[in-house]
This record gives sequence, structure tokens and C-alpha cells, in this order.
Amino acid sequence: SAVISQKPSRDICQRGTSLTIQCQVDSQVTMMFWYRQQPGQSLTLIATANQGSEATYESGFVIDKFPISRPNLTFSTLTVSNMSPEDSSIYLCSFGDTEAFFGQGTRLTVV
Amino acid sequence: QQPVQSPQAVILREGEDAVINCSSSKALYSVHWYRQKHGEAPVFLMILLKGGEQKGHEKISASFNEKKQQSSLYLTASQLSYSGTYFCGTEHLDGTSYGKLTFGQGTILTVHP
Repeated sequence: SAVISQKPSRDICQRGTSLTIQCQVDSQVTMMFWYRQQPGQSLTLIATANQGSEATYESGFVIDKFPISRPNLTFSTLTVSNMSPEDSSIYLCSFGDTEAFFGQGTRLTVV
Repeated sequence: QQPVQSPQAVILREGEDAVINCSSSKALYSVHWYRQKHGEAPVFLMILLKGGEQKGHEKISASFNEKKQQSSLYLTASQLSYSGTYFCGTEHLDGTSYGKLTFGQGTILTVHP
């Protein structure tokens, strides 16, 4: 099965700063997805990242806050911008249709 | 629309059985089941695509009803390793959400010796 690597695994950031999370897949995939999982909660889709076009954001998430890049079919980044404590969460990338493969997650704490 | 999972939590002794349900107000394209252990990423268990489908093996199996609005996950003769949070993830039939999952709120399963 494909391997998906996500980094950093965790970070503690100051409010007002930005963090970029990277996700690398060992094979080419058409769509990649970014999810947020708040402590003890379910996974919520932030956006779908398509190569060669702008990401598609779900309701409640905007590009200015969560800009996404998808420069090729194996790589994507999610930036959490102008962070506040409410952004403290686990962020996960994934790909796949009949089976979703998830990165290990990035545990973000904003202080 | 987020699917509704029940129960929210289950506590079992080793060897006992459990059923976790996942319901949607609209017909689904597919339903996925995942298990997540604390501090880890969700791990795929199975996907159901057809109404009336049942799949899996003796210990962990799932069903999808004919109307494709309700799925159940069956855990038989539970083992300690079954402990974790179980999520159903659903895909809808709107033609734009292929591969995009909406997750239920999760069911915390705890298996004791």
C-alpha cells in the first residue's frame, strides 16, 4: 500500500504566527484531502487539494486562513495562518477513494 | 450532513460482541469504517458500496442496508486490540464528493480483560 508522510508531527506556536504542514505520498495521487480533528472529536474536512487548480474549501474554512498548495501529484502543504488558540488541533492529510490513507497527523498547540 | 453514530461509547469484556451503527438522512454512495487508536491516525477497516451488502470476516464485519442510508459494524468475540474509537465515513451521491468523506462523531470502544 502507498506510504504517506506528514511533518511536522507536532509543534507549539505563538498566536499570530503561521505554520506550514507538509504531506508527501510515495506515488502519484489525483486528490489529497486535509482534515482537522479537534481533541476528542471527529475528523472535519477542511479542503480538497487538486494538482493544477485551486483547492476546494468546505463550509467554514477559507483560503486566507488555510492556504493550500499542490505543486505536483505527490506533495501538498497546508498553512494555518495567523493562528489563535482555537486552531489548536490535529491536522491530517489523506488520499484515496475506496480506502483513505492518512498521514500520521500534526498536533498543533497555539499558545 | 454528518452521519449519526451510535452508541457514543461501549465497554466490553474480552470475548463479548458489539454493534456500532451509522445512519444518514440521505442515500449514500458508500460508507467506510475506520478505527483510530489514541495518538494515531485512523486505519481503514472496510468500505461498503452496494445496498444490501455485507462484508468482512468472522470477527469484524459490516452491513449496508438496501436504501444505503444505514450501516452497522459488528465486532465479534472482542479482543483487547479492538479498543479505540470507531468512525464511519460517508460519501454522498452528489457527484462532486468522490473520495471526500464526512465522518460520524465516533464510538469509543473499550475492551477489558
